[in-house]
Amino acid sequence: KAGVTQTPRYLIKTRGQQVTLSCSPISGHRSVSWYQQTPGQGLQFLFEYFSETQRNKGNFPGRFSGRQFSNSRSEMNVSTLELGDSALYLCASSTDSNYGYTFGSGTRLTVV
Amino acid sequence: SQKIEQNSEALNIQEGKTATLTCNYTNYSPAYLQWYRQDPGRGPVFLLLIRENEKEKRKERLKVTFDTTLKQSLFHITASQPADSATYLCALDKAHSGAGSYQLTFGKGTKLSVIP
Repeated sequence: KAGVTQTPRYLIKTRGQQVTLSCSPISGHRSVSWYQQTPGQGLQFLFEYFSETQRNKGNFPGRFSGRQFSNSRSEMNVSTLELGDSALYLCASSTDSNYGYTFGSGTRLTVV
Repeated sequence: SQKIEQNSEALNIQEGKTATLTCNYTNYSPAYLQWYRQDPGRGPVFLLLIRENEKEKRKERLKVTFDTTLKQSLFHITASQPADSATYLCALDKAHSGAGSYQLTFGKGTKLSVIP
């Protein structure tokens, strides 16, 4: 079966711009979560959606937001980009917390 | 505050030997502890999940132990191969209503290099 698909794979943006990243989960997976990965901080939880509702939110500023659609696809948005937002953004989907999470390959965002 | 530590940033091991990676945590009541493998430029790949009431879990050459008293998990790869070279991440899923909370907290990872 198809894995978790994230688009685009690479993105370069300028400070102050906004960006939208997309994630298509594995078919049948209703939970979608987002993580930011940087060399200094490692993997950090951003938020998690289930049936179009945000159930959990990590400790990130309000510039980071997301949503989930009725087909479980999810988007995350970062407004007013800062240099420190440069990172690998990973999406993960799950059918049940018992079974681990399937991650996509990520979107590499570079802010210049 | 909650803290997860993987004891080594890097570990070099000879092919054929057993690699043992450690994950320690504090101020946490996990429902599940998970191990992932991550290759450069790729997302983490799920390997094993162990529940708080389980002591040990095995899958092929992989073995995970979980000691909630010591607040520690050990991850073993037996008969290691160069293809096992990657970064291994420990992650905790906090308990919520008898299951996980769908919010993983990750360690910084251990970069394993298996030398032929």
